Amino acid sequence: GAGVSQSPRYKVAKRGQDVALRCDPISGHVSLFWYQQALGQGPEFLTYFQNEAQLDKSGLPSDRFFAERPEGSVSTLKIQRTQQEDSAVYLCASSPGPGSGTDTQYFGPGTRLTVL
Amino acid sequence: EDQVTQSPEALRLQEGESSSLNCSYTVSGLRGLFWYRQDPGKGPEFLFTLYSAGEEKEKERLKATLTKKESFLHITAPKPEDSATYLCAVQLLRDSWGKLQFGAGTQVVVTP
Repeated sequence: GAGVSQSPRYKVAKRGQDVALRCDPISGHVSLFWYQQALGQGPEFLTYFQNEAQLDKSGLPSDRFFAERPEGSVSTLKIQRTQQEDSAVYLCASSPGPGSGTDTQYFGPGTRLTVL
Repeated sequence: EDQVTQSPEALRLQEGESSSLNCSYTVSGLRGLFWYRQDPGKGPEFLFTLYSAGEEKEKERLKATLTKKESFLHITAPKPEDSATYLCAVQLLRDSWGKLQFGAGTQVVVTP
């Protein structure tokens, strides 16, 4: 079966542009996470969805960051008015969800965002 | 404040030279500790989950152990294909959704 996929794999934006990053989780996975990974660092949590409900957005760095998962499957992370400090790899992960008996999160390949 | 610290930052091994990576944590209420492997340009790949002190898990040349303060990832007789960054992450009881807090990783290079 297919794993988590993300698109685009690479994105270059000029400072001030808006970007949208897409995540296709493993089919049937209830839980979906977004993480941000700076160069040489571990991933940092951004936000969490259970189906279409965004239950935790405590990691979003500013109100320029917005995420949605309207039908409980595909998710989009949007960054408005990008800044140079937004340059990072954005990782999406999915897991079967609460009550499934497993906490394992499966990660996609990430989107590398470079803001010039 | 919750902290996850990995050491060393980088490790260079000869093929066959066994070693251990350390992940120490200071958290309030550990639910589970995870080990992932990350290759350049790829997302983290799940290796192990440990839930209680004394627990051990093995997969090929890798063995993970857990105490109340730290976890070790032992690499026995490594091969060049074991070269990667190894990440540990904690999941806390209070984060019922399951978010992970990662350490910075240990970059392992195994030379033939």
